[in-house]
Amino acid sequence: DGGITQSPKYLFRKEGQNVTLSCEQNLNHDAMYWYRQDPGQGLRLIYYSQIVNDFQKGDIAEGYSVSREKKESFPLTVTSAQKNPTAFYLCASSTGGQVSGNTIYFGEGSWLTVV
Amino acid sequence: AQSVTQLGSHVSVSEGALVLLRCNYSSSVPPYLFWYVQYPNQGLQLLLKYTTGATLVKGINGFEAEFKKSETSFHLTKPSAHMSDAAEYFCAVSDMVTGGGNKLTFGTGTQLKVEL
Repeated sequence: DGGITQSPKYLFRKEGQNVTLSCEQNLNHDAMYWYRQDPGQGLRLIYYSQIVNDFQKGDIAEGYSVSREKKESFPLTVTSAQKNPTAFYLCASSTGGQVSGNTIYFGEGSWLTVV
Repeated sequence: AQSVTQLGSHVSVSEGALVLLRCNYSSSVPPYLFWYVQYPNQGLQLLLKYTTGATLVKGINGFEAEFKKSETSFHLTKPSAHMSDAAEYFCAVSDMVTGGGNKLTFGTGTQLKVEL
């Protein structure tokens, strides 16, 4: 089945540790995104990538890093510099290009909790 | 920058009653607007979207939304609520990003509760 796979679903991190969330898509989409969701705040964009080997900061990139070495993969690293990392993280993808009405499709999300 | 405002963080309706979830947008250009639904601990699923053309947009699960430029609104409706509609609903506006393509700017969400 075509879709976006995020892993792990639940992750616990000790303070001071870096953790990486995996995101893989088999939709042949050029663009991929990472959003963070906090209760009552909606979703906020962390990073996005329009093409392999290129990515851009979103609205809340501080304390996060990404890579885009393959078209189908866009892992997110939550570094120790992220002050409040406990949240629900959503990976998404869409076809690229200049058309801003493209539908963005979402994965099932990953819960990160700092202990 | 584009933005959306969802009025009412919680809405409660009786089963069989009309569902109305409100969304107003702010955009300097003709907007592309979306409604997504999220069930607990899951990702977001597209309900419907407005790009161009007909202002009344029909989506999945019996939902529809009407784009009203004069009111800068894109409210979501369903004539008769079902228990399975209980979820969180997000309105979003599409915005261009550096390098082409688009991103979504979301409202803060509306939690819909359906009561017997």
